[in-house]
Amino acid sequence: QQPVQSPQAVILREGEDAVINCSSSKALYSVHWYRQKHGEAPVFLMILLKGGEQKGHEKISASFNEKKQQSSLYLTASQLSYSGTYFCGTVEPYMNYGGSQGNLIFGKGTKLSVKP
Amino acid sequence: SAVISQKPSRDICQRGTSLTIQCQVDSQVTMMFWYRQQPGQSLTLIATANQGSEATYESGFVIDKFPISRPNLTFSTLTVSNMSPEDSSIYLCSVDGTGDDTDTQYFGPGTRLTVL
Repeated sequence: QQPVQSPQAVILREGEDAVINCSSSKALYSVHWYRQKHGEAPVFLMILLKGGEQKGHEKISASFNEKKQQSSLYLTASQLSYSGTYFCGTVEPYMNYGGSQGNLIFGKGTKLSVKP
Repeated sequence: SAVISQKPSRDICQRGTSLTIQCQVDSQVTMMFWYRQQPGQSLTLIATANQGSEATYESGFVIDKFPISRPNLTFSTLTVSNMSPEDSSIYLCSVDGTGDDTDTQYFGPGTRLTVL
């Protein structure tokens, strides 16, 4: 089941904050966040695991509400380099087999543009 | 982390032909994943490739169209067979991180395929 991301697009001025949301209709084992710049591969930002463990980026934070099956990515004091499309990828519990985080199901993405 | 390379980086192919995409990782990994990203779209998992066993395909993808090889723990190939313009996409391989990083999934740079 593809997670739903919101907003679809956001335009910021440098230094402003943004929140990107990701919600699923299914119980989740983990949520992954990636940023993709045009013509490049997705770059890992953050993983949030069931049980509260969080691994990722220094300047970007995220939350994972297991009960609501939602995650939010918080971008504070945005920089020009934050521009790109942000994808959340979810892993459902029964798909987490053999210790792998495979079977990531990605949302449609949120396009973030940071202007000077 | 994992360093992943893909060949070719891009190609333009004629309808009805086949293209084999190579994915090389700098460390031994158990599972490798192949994704497709159509223009302006999200990433969709094609299949999961375990060394020494048949690849596992997601709904909508079949082995005859996307045969995969996984001859060792650092290499995999994806073939796009009997191509049509609808196969024009970016094809990405990904792997789980190693050591303390196994919860993370890393992506290769992608192969941009255009079918005429």
